[in-house]
Amino acid sequence: ETGVTQTPRHLVMGMTNKKSLKCEQHLGHNAMYWYKQSAKKPLELMFVYSLEERVENNSVPSRFSPECPNSSHLFLHLHTLQPEDSALYLCASSGTSGGVSSYNEQFFGPGTRLTVL
Amino acid sequence: DQQVKQNSPSLSVQEGRISILNCDYTNSMFDYFLWYKKYPAEGPTFLISISSIKDKNEDGRFTVFLNKSAKHLSLHIVPSQPGDSAVYFCAASADKLIFGTGTRLQVFP
Repeated sequence: ETGVTQTPRHLVMGMTNKKSLKCEQHLGHNAMYWYKQSAKKPLELMFVYSLEERVENNSVPSRFSPECPNSSHLFLHLHTLQPEDSALYLCASSGTSGGVSSYNEQFFGPGTRLTVL
Repeated sequence: DQQVKQNSPSLSVQEGRISILNCDYTNSMFDYFLWYKKYPAEGPTFLISISSIKDKNEDGRFTVFLNKSAKHLSLHIVPSQPGDSAVYFCAASADKLIFGTGTRLQVFP
């Protein structure tokens, strides 16, 4: 596997289900991100992890819970979602520049298309 | 309030001609600008970037222009090819990336 991979690619869940999205990067990067892309809206940054520590949480509802067990893996745990949470969820990673995590050139996975019924 | 705006949701260009995609931003603290390209069922892929200390950056058929006084960014693709048909996102960075809504480019033969 190369680059950034995401599983599953498609997910349909009910509002009472619990599911998890998985992201894995094979680029040796040390920062990982979750984005949400809804129709006709810009990509919305949800969470940022740098060196496995959460450095950003953009006012995301608690029904979304991220986990970063190591620099290569990132999870997004989902529970009691709402239909308006249906969207494309993208994971990205980035490396360092001058020893500092660079948030600029991010490499994206293919995304998970989530539908909440 | 959108800090990065792509006001044209779509653009159609004939093969061989120039494609010009535009982007406007409001935050003068942005110091780095990027263009990403996205095909259906794939994640965005980095295309080209420019630092705020420059006004032009070129990479093959792709050139990005930055007009800081106008807070305007543009991507020129010349000559356009059918394989360039995709959604193009402009992004700007201060401490994090802020994306525009994208412009769908269609290059027809």
